[in-house]
Amino acid sequence: QSALTQPPSASGSPGQSVTISCTGTTSDVGGYNYISWYQQHPGKAPKLVIYEVTKRPSGVPDRFSGSKSGNTATLTVSGLQAEDDADYYCCSYAGINTYVFGTGTKVTVL
Amino acid sequence: QLQLVQSGAEVKKPGASVKVSCKASGYTFTSYYMHWVRLAPGQGLEWMGTINPSTGTTSYAEKIQGRVTLTRDTSTSTVYMELSSLKSEDTAVYYCGREGNGYDFYFFDNWGQGTLVTVSS
Repeated sequence: QSALTQPPSASGSPGQSVTISCTGTTSDVGGYNYISWYQQHPGKAPKLVIYEVTKRPSGVPDRFSGSKSGNTATLTVSGLQAEDDADYYCCSYAGINTYVFGTGTKVTVL
Repeated sequence: QLQLVQSGAEVKKPGASVKVSCKASGYTFTSYYMHWVRLAPGQGLEWMGTINPSTGTTSYAEKIQGRVTLTRDTSTSTVYMELSSLKSEDTAVYYCGREGNGYDFYFFDNWGQGTLVTVSS
């Protein structure tokens, strides 16, 4: 399994939006609606922000939203805040109880 | 409250093995799959494998299949990740993560604090 492809970096000023893409294949992203997104600050464990493409866990602000079209999933962070400055990873179910993560995107709040 | 507590940092020589533990509390241990994910310096998250704590059934990433073994001890609600034939590229922080929230699955909702494994001669 190859890692899903994400842009290495994205940035925006406070209040703006950033969009992160996550491209896979029909064997992972395109084949299942089990796409999740994780936020990770340096030295911390990952934190779930989106699951099943569009669902937000309790406690995650509605500034975080997800979507999917074909083999590409997308995370949008609206109304950027300083605490959104972090690494973001997508993850897809890939069949037979296996998973694959994206290459990761560093989001910088300018 | 739900907690996943991992064992402490390890330093190992190339070719050796390491075994990291993840002790679960605050929920029914056998009801949720446990996964292992690692983050190497300068790299991204990598899914390593999963275990069904109820049956012991496992599934591993192709890249490290043959070197990684997941086991569990239901009497102590602990999952173990053993990685053998260690290489310098295995230097990473290793995380355990519980799958799902009881209603939905296929994501990792709770994580351990991470265990740094350093492989160096």
